[in-house]
Amino acid sequence: AQKITQTQPGMFVQEKEAVTLDCTYDTSDPSYGLFWYKQPSSGEMIFLIYQGSYDQQNATEGRYSLNFQKARKSANLVISASQLGDSAMYFCAMRGLAVGGSNYKLTFGKGTLLTVNP
Amino acid sequence: DTGVSQDPRHKITKRGQNVTFRCDPISEHNRLYWYRQTLGQGPEFLTYFQNEAQLEKSRLLSDRFSAERPKGSFSTLEIQRTEQGDSAMYLCASSAGGGFSGLGTGELFFGEGSRLTVL
Repeated sequence: AQKITQTQPGMFVQEKEAVTLDCTYDTSDPSYGLFWYKQPSSGEMIFLIYQGSYDQQNATEGRYSLNFQKARKSANLVISASQLGDSAMYFCAMRGLAVGGSNYKLTFGKGTLLTVNP
Repeated sequence: DTGVSQDPRHKITKRGQNVTFRCDPISEHNRLYWYRQTLGQGPEFLTYFQNEAQLEKSRLLSDRFSAERPKGSFSTLEIQRTEQGDSAMYLCASSAGGGFSGLGTGELFFGEGSRLTVL
């Protein structure tokens, strides 16, 4: 079984500042993938960044970076230079990568609502 | 537009009525998923298709729910005898598989969802 915990229901950040959204996970899978998605008010889930448990380096995608600490089972999302358009719900998710089993579906956390203030 | 499309985007119905949602995945994706999202929660897995085969159904999917994917292309999710507790956003996603090194991340591509309100 997999579990994702996002302890911050809401976060506020000033435009142009950096913000960290927390995510901790629990799994019995020996290898797994961690994802972050953004959900604007329109409802569509937008994929942001991926980290494999076997990756040696933390993932980065433009202004998004993932602070992966395997021993602490955390996968925090860092958004640098926040923009007004970053205001949205952010979801952390994971899935197992082992052959067989339910390695195709994502398990999501409850999300963090980020508000970027001008 | 070659993304995942869902129809209708919004549906308001009375309790006891049947509703059907349609999802058209990205054409080259063989995997299709349905998720349900209620207010203040993350998406919850409902069911999964690989091509036309429905390989897993969540316990959340009661016998009033049925999903199909004929010919492995579009999918439909039908809810019979709707209840107020069925009110939610129903999200469809597709993927090309992957998840192993060198084969991509296997991330899911989501549609904009179908919001159901049961009165």
